Amino acid sequence: AQSVTQPDIHITVSEGASLELRCNYSYGATPYLFWYVQSPGQGLQLLLKYFSGDTLVQGIKGFEAEFKRSQSSFNLRKPSVHWSDAAEYFCAVGARGTDKLIFGTGTRLQVFP
Amino acid sequence: EAGVVQSPRYKIIEKKQPVAFWCNPISGHNTLYWYLQNLGQGPELLIRYENEEAVDDSQLPKDRFSAERLKGVDSTLKIQPAELGDSAVYLCASSLGVLAGANTGELFFGEGSRLTVL
Repeated sequence: AQSVTQPDIHITVSEGASLELRCNYSYGATPYLFWYVQSPGQGLQLLLKYFSGDTLVQGIKGFEAEFKRSQSSFNLRKPSVHWSDAAEYFCAVGARGTDKLIFGTGTRLQVFP
Repeated sequence: EAGVVQSPRYKIIEKKQPVAFWCNPISGHNTLYWYLQNLGQGPELLIRYENEEAVDDSQLPKDRFSAERLKGVDSTLKIQPAELGDSAVYLCASSLGVLAGANTGELFFGEGSRLTVL
């Protein structure tokens, strides 16, 4: 069965600092992997996705993520965080050939000036 | 292009009362999802439609929850009767869908309907 683990419930960084949010997945084959962001009171917005090919994927708002098959990880990174990046971040895994996504429990990002 | 529209945004009811949520997906999106999001948790799938057919409703508590997607466009999710534990955000999402040959897996979410049961 597919599952997603986001080990960090809450992360606090200073504005301008670098960021890495961790995501580990469990899936029997190569999955589809996603990062979504949710601002307070809003729906989820897709940041980036990995299907195949280059394991380093670029997304919106300056985010990137790297798929590491050997570690079953898909960590999200940003070199310099902005105050507007404060939100909840969800990693998700999807099975090829379906539309079903399994979400992690999320990581809440706080950004201090 | 309009996004996924949900209503109401907020609903407060007393336990044992019924409640209904409505979702209008992005035009042309064949697949529609209802997700439940408890406070501090990730979304959990309740039901998934391919056009008007419910293809995955294994997580829907059928004793009190029901959903429909007439004509394969808009959808409603109903709870009757509501319980205290149903307080959560109900998210609707849509996608082009596998059947449309668009196996991108990208879901587009509405802003959600926040339910408070007193």
